[in-house]
This record gives sequence, C-alpha cells and structure tokens, in this order.
Amino acid sequence: QAGLTQPPSVSKGLRQTATLTCTGNSNNVGNQGAAWLQQHQGHPPKLLSYRNNNRPSGISERFSASRSGNTASLTITGLQPEDEADYYCSAWDSSLSAVVFGGGTKLTVL
Amino acid sequence: EVQLVESGGGLVQPGRSLRLSCAASGFTFDDYAMHWVRQAPGKGLEWVSGISWNSGSIAYADSVKGRFTISRDNAKNSLYLQMNNLRTEDTALYYCAKDIGYDSSAGDFDYWGQGTLVTVSS
Repeated sequence: QAGLTQPPSVSKGLRQTATLTCTGNSNNVGNQGAAWLQQHQGHPPKLLSYRNNNRPSGISERFSASRSGNTASLTITGLQPEDEADYYCSAWDSSLSAVVFGGGTKLTVL
Repeated sequence: EVQLVESGGGLVQPGRSLRLSCAASGFTFDDYAMHWVRQAPGKGLEWVSGISWNSGSIAYADSVKGRFTISRDNAKNSLYLQMNNLRTEDTALYYCAKDIGYDSSAGDFDYWGQGTLVTVSS
C-alpha cells in the first residue's frame, strides 16, 4: 500500500523552528487530514496531533499542525534537545480502506 | 491511567502461527476502536489492522490480508491478532494502539503499548 511521503531527515538549531511535511493525496491527507506522532528511540510513539489539527491534552503548544491541500505540516517552535526524535504522519485512506503512514522524519536538534 | 499490555510474541518458524493479545485497562474498552501497528527493526511504522468498537468494521493492510485476523473481547477488555502462515518479513515489534474514536476508519492512535516482538526465522 502506498504510503505518505516525508523527508527522511531535518536538522535545525536549538530554539529554532522546524516544519515537517507529509504529502499524500485526495484520498488520505486531502480528505481527512493527518495525525502526527513522535517516537524516541526505544519507546512507543506518542500522539502529537490528530485530524483537523487537534492537539491532545498534555501536548506542548510548541507543536502545531496544519494542512494545505494534500500536504500536512507539523511545526515545532523553540526547539529543545528532547525534540530530537522520529516523527511520523498517518492518515486514513478511503480508497485503500486502510491507515497509511509516512516513512518518518528524523529530526536532529543541533 | 490507560494501559495497554501486549503479549504472545516470540520466535516462530516461517509458515507457523502465533496469537498476540493486548490487555487494556484504564478506559472504557468497548467505546473505542483498536489497532495493531508494527515496526520492523530499524524501520518505520506500518499499520496492520483495525477493529471498531463493536467488531462491526474491520480492516487489514494488504500485506497481511488473508493471513491475519483481528478480534476483540469487550467482556475481557482484550484485543487479539491471530497470525497464520507467518513470513520472515512479518518480523517486527507489534504494538497495540487505542483509537481516539469508536470507528476504525480514522487511525488516530492516542495510546500505545510497549509492544511484543515477533521474530519469524528458520
């Protein structure tokens, strides 16, 4: 099943802003939006944002999601060392009747 | 506190079967859809299967369709994954994940277990 497209890696400096992208099509991201997950090495993923750019309780306001057409974005402001992690997007694909994931973006905080 | 505890993983030969379980607590289990998501060593996340709150809606990834069966027992607050005809490419850490909603056609996973490792090798 075709997945969503994410850049493999992004590097930004401490206290800078990083914007991660996730590109799909009209059957997935363009239809219902995307969710964003953060995964630190050796740990299960953690939900940062879900459909319609909602942030779960307890998630820092430094994380914000948006969508333009078939591309979803996650913006992280004021980068901290603990933000260094892998970030995944996911969405329901109505044509596949399946959840599709992006390949993940490794964020490095310099 | 929401807890999801997977079990049943292990080393199995190709072509054999394995049944994974996920014990849920800390929330009203039968109000939510549930999913299995896997992660091969050093790789990204791959959705495996999802089941709605009342088992009325079930979906599978093409890679496991016809070989894996998801089920749930709301009386036991448990989720299961029966895996048949296992292949080496099924080797992964299998996570149980709770959905935000009752329908499996969303894929918004708000809670995850620690995972159970399945290794398929001869």
